[in-house]
Amino acid sequence: AQSVTQLGSHVSVSEGALVLLRCNYSSSVPPYLFWYVQYPNQGLQLLLKYTTGATLVKGINGFEAEFKKSETSFHLTKPSAHMSDAAEYFCAVTGSWTNAGKSTFGDGTTLTVKP
Amino acid sequence: DVKVTQSSRYLVKRTGEKVFLECVQDMDHENMFWYRQDPGLGLRLIYFSYDVKMKEKGDIPEGYSVSREKKERFSLILESASTNQTSMYLCASSLSRQSNNSPLHFGNGTRLTVT
Repeated sequence: AQSVTQLGSHVSVSEGALVLLRCNYSSSVPPYLFWYVQYPNQGLQLLLKYTTGATLVKGINGFEAEFKKSETSFHLTKPSAHMSDAAEYFCAVTGSWTNAGKSTFGDGTTLTVKP
Repeated sequence: DVKVTQSSRYLVKRTGEKVFLECVQDMDHENMFWYRQDPGLGLRLIYFSYDVKMKEKGDIPEGYSVSREKKERFSLILESASTNQTSMYLCASSLSRQSNNSPLHFGNGTRLTVT
């Protein structure tokens, strides 16, 4: 069984401020973890993923995430928010040994960036 | 780049109608998925398919069926549309059943309204 909890359905930051979006996961097997971003009226696109190896993962648009097994977390960060970062963000987990690559998604976090 | 194309961006249907949502991917992916997205509920998996003529139920299959006659095409069918099926529907594909670390590639979604 696998699940994802995103803490905070809405996060608001000022332009230039640190972005921190929280994700905790539960998985009975070693997980693969993903962050996706969804801009208005679009589908989801991959920001970054953790599979194995280095626990700090860098993605597109200056985002990164750190896999912490002891805390079962995979929080997304960006040092300096830009107006274009305003979107909805989804954390997802796929159990690495289970069939199909079925991903379980969190409920999403809407990021607002204030000027 | 993988392209996942959903045939309609917006659909309005009447209660009781049979509705077809079409999805085509152009990268020879084995896995295809249908999700529905509702505010505050994230993405919920309706059905998925690993190969032609294969299908498996996701978390919320009731009221839906699917068809995969060709590898590139995955259709979602609402046998008798109801107002509680008003939602955003997202189609996605990924590489293969064995590649659990490969991300999902999403279409832009179909916003279905059932009146």
